[in-house]
Amino acid sequence: DSGVTQTPKHLITATGQRVTLRCSPRSGDLSVYWYQQSLDQGLQFLIQYYNGEERAKGNILERFSAQQFPDLHSELNLSSLELGDSALYFCASSANPGTDTQYFGPGTRLTVL
Amino acid sequence: GQNIDQPTEMTATEGAIVQINCTYQTSGFNGLFWYQQHAGEAPTFLSYNVLDGLEEKGRFSSFLSRSKGYSYLLLKELQMKDSASYLCAVADNAGNMLTFGGGTRLMVKP
Repeated sequence: DSGVTQTPKHLITATGQRVTLRCSPRSGDLSVYWYQQSLDQGLQFLIQYYNGEERAKGNILERFSAQQFPDLHSELNLSSLELGDSALYFCASSANPGTDTQYFGPGTRLTVL
Repeated sequence: GQNIDQPTEMTATEGAIVQINCTYQTSGFNGLFWYQQHAGEAPTFLSYNVLDGLEEKGRFSSFLSRSKGYSYLLLKELQMKDSASYLCAVADNAGNMLTFGGGTRLMVKP
């Protein structure tokens, strides 16, 4: 158990819908990262927040957005969902940005039908 | 950009030693991580190298050569539970994001 929690574990929805994934970092960690893992793409970095501020952006679609709240939990919002958005979404946290080790949560498996 | 290559699959025998290679070409480098991932589960941290050389941690060791853009993960005394995917990841200059290779799926056979 890494100490990072994610809800829900599984999510099944239809194309065109919007969902919100939630992540709570390890106690004391200020930095949160979101990753997408699909069968054909491997693990892809989406976005990073540090102490409430966006810090780095990767291959995140415009239909996706995220934020980190004052209590440091983070939410990833996915809208206008497409079949290709079906994937495992992982949240990771670290104490600081930089090279502190990132610890991953158990992930949310999103299925878009 | 970042390009990270690892073999897709490897097979080894219980009790043996296996070496998983990773080569990278990146625009920035601030260290290399190895993670283990069992199917459908979260990646778990194994090792971090930022300087050249070998880091040993129990049955697992990781090596880095920055000049060659090369790393390997060495697993000794293989156990059945070591069957998993092993992910190589490079941190960018600011260390903000990790770029992952496609992962190496290791199957340990009795």
